[in-house]
Amino acid sequence: AQTVTQSQPEMSVQEAETVTLSCTYDTSESDYYLFWYKQPPSRQMILVIRQEAYKQQNATENRFSVNFQKAAKSFSLKISDSQLGDAAMYFCATDSGSARQLTFGSGTQLTVLP
Amino acid sequence: EPEVTQTPSHQVTQMGQEVILRCVPISNHLYFYWYRQILGQKVEFLVSFYNNEISEKSEIFDDQFSVERPDGSNFTLKIRSTKLEDSAMYFCASSEGGLTTTDTQYFGPGTRLTVL
Repeated sequence: AQTVTQSQPEMSVQEAETVTLSCTYDTSESDYYLFWYKQPPSRQMILVIRQEAYKQQNATENRFSVNFQKAAKSFSLKISDSQLGDAAMYFCATDSGSARQLTFGSGTQLTVLP
Repeated sequence: EPEVTQTPSHQVTQMGQEVILRCVPISNHLYFYWYRQILGQKVEFLVSFYNNEISEKSEIFDDQFSVERPDGSNFTLKIRSTKLEDSAMYFCASSEGGLTTTDTQYFGPGTRLTVL
């Protein structure tokens, strides 16, 4: 079974600054994917970024990038030039290679201060 | 951009009643999913569906739950006899179902179910 741990229940960042959200996971699979989803107050789940475990290169999507450390089973999300619209709950998730069910962490509530 | 849609956005029901939550997945997607999120808790997997049958299901998905693809566009979750603890946000998701063993799931906006 997979587990995902987000050790920061809450984080805050000043507008235009950079913030890093932490995530660690455990899986026995050799082939898997990792995801960050954003859940704003509307509670819709929005995909932010994904990383294939077999790829060494860290994924980037505009202001969002990840630091994937496979040996340490760590998958952190960096948000650069934070904007007020980035304020949301952020969930880290993994999908073991053989199953299509996502396992989510408990989430990190990000506040962006003007 | 194509998106997953869900109706209703909010459903209120009495304990013991049956509810059907509806989802329209992205049109060319082949895998469909239901997740739930009890307020303040993690998002939990319920079931995945492919080729008109259940592909995977969790321990939560017991006999009171069922899923169906009644036509070419809708995907439904039925709860036969609702309990107070079924109150949660229910998310539908879909994915392309390509040749890779996994692919990205896109979520709908959710249906908030309140059981009184």
